Amino acid sequence: DAGVIQSPRHEVTEMGQEVTLRCKPISGHNSLFWYRQTMMRGLELLIYFNNNVPIDDSGMPEDRFSAKMPNASFSTLKIQPSEPRDSAVYFCASSSNQGNNEQFFGPGTRLTVL
Amino acid sequence: DAKTTQPNSMESNEEEPVHLPCNHSTISGTDYIHWYRQLPSQGPEYVIHGLTSNVNNRMASLAIAEDRKSSTLILHRATLRDAAVYYCILQSYNTDKLIFGTGTRLQVFP
Repeated sequence: DAGVIQSPRHEVTEMGQEVTLRCKPISGHNSLFWYRQTMMRGLELLIYFNNNVPIDDSGMPEDRFSAKMPNASFSTLKIQPSEPRDSAVYFCASSSNQGNNEQFFGPGTRLTVL
Repeated sequence: DAKTTQPNSMESNEEEPVHLPCNHSTISGTDYIHWYRQLPSQGPEYVIHGLTSNVNNRMASLAIAEDRKSSTLILHRATLRDAAVYYCILQSYNTDKLIFGTGTRLQVFP
């Protein structure tokens, strides 16, 4: 298994532009999580899905952030418009409810907003 | 969400055992204790978890206090590759959420 796949690995954009981060969970996993990591705030859960349905989006910072999971093998996190304070590493993780609910993390997308 | 308290940093020499403590005095009876670690420039990875009994796996051991208000992650022989930030997390049985704290940064010296 290739593990959780995220793209792009690095993104540099200018303030005000739309940014879309992509995630492919591990096949067969039914939960998907989006996290953000910064030096100041650490690792924060933004939103998670179960069976493609958003369960908890209380960590989404504001309306500029949106996440979708149109099917079991794909999710996006969109920031529109982006701001410099959105610069962070964004991780996607997936897990299966068959077993110990271990979360498998992707390699992350490093976002820089100028 | 129940909180955990960990030391900010710890040091060890290679091939020595490492005991990473975690306090969780407000743990509820249905909270699981999870440990993840994050190697430099990587996403976190699962290490081990438990509820009441001590647990062992190929990576580490988890010792849970009898009153469950604290736990210790044990790396039996530290290697340079074990240098990472170790997170102790409480997860309620009825949620998939993991709330990461600041963790313990473990340095391993040759």
